[in-house]
Amino acid sequence: KNQVEQSPQSLIILEGKNCTLQCNYTVSPFSNLRWYKQDTGRGPVSLTIMTFSENTKSNGRYTATLDADTKQSSLHITASQLSDSASYICVVTALTGGGNKLTFGTGTQLKVEL
Amino acid sequence: NAGVTQTPKFRILKIGQSMTLQCTQDMNHNYMYWYRQDPGMGLKLIYYSVGAGITDKGEVPNGYNVSRSTTEDFPLRLELAAPSQTSVYFCASTRSLAGGSDTQYFGPGTRLTVL
Repeated sequence: KNQVEQSPQSLIILEGKNCTLQCNYTVSPFSNLRWYKQDTGRGPVSLTIMTFSENTKSNGRYTATLDADTKQSSLHITASQLSDSASYICVVTALTGGGNKLTFGTGTQLKVEL
Repeated sequence: NAGVTQTPKFRILKIGQSMTLQCTQDMNHNYMYWYRQDPGMGLKLIYYSVGAGITDKGEVPNGYNVSRSTTEDFPLRLELAAPSQTSVYFCASTRSLAGGSDTQYFGPGTRLTVL
């Protein structure tokens, strides 16, 4: 069964600090992995997408890494800001005979405080 | 571009009532999707469409219906609302099939409560 597990479930950090969010998956056959940011009361917004051959991708202060061998990904946030407070969702795509199948993680709720 | 828009933002229904959640995109995307997001759970695909006139079931289609008469619009219909349909509903669109290299754009969501 395809699964995506994220940790921690929630995290509180001080403004200016760095943090790393984890995503482990059992999706196969693997196609790509995405990280989304979802602000409270809003829809998810894409941050990064990585295919099998990519092991790192950056988007400003967000850097995602992928280890396809261990089926793990991380999202590193540098110099956090109050506006980074949101849920971060890992989404893994499997290539199936019927097309692509997306499996969504439950998200890590990040709160950045002064 | 407005992107993906959804109406209404909030709605309270009584058990057995029906309603239509509206979704419109102005990016000329062929592919559109409906998801539901329950507390503590990942998004689940309800229905999707690969173009006008073509729709297909996702993981959790029971209790819902969709239609796609135009490229822009993809309404989701609840015929007999049940408390289990209390959720936040997101509409999304992509230029090509989701899961490829294209970005999936999400609407702001509709928060539905069935009492």
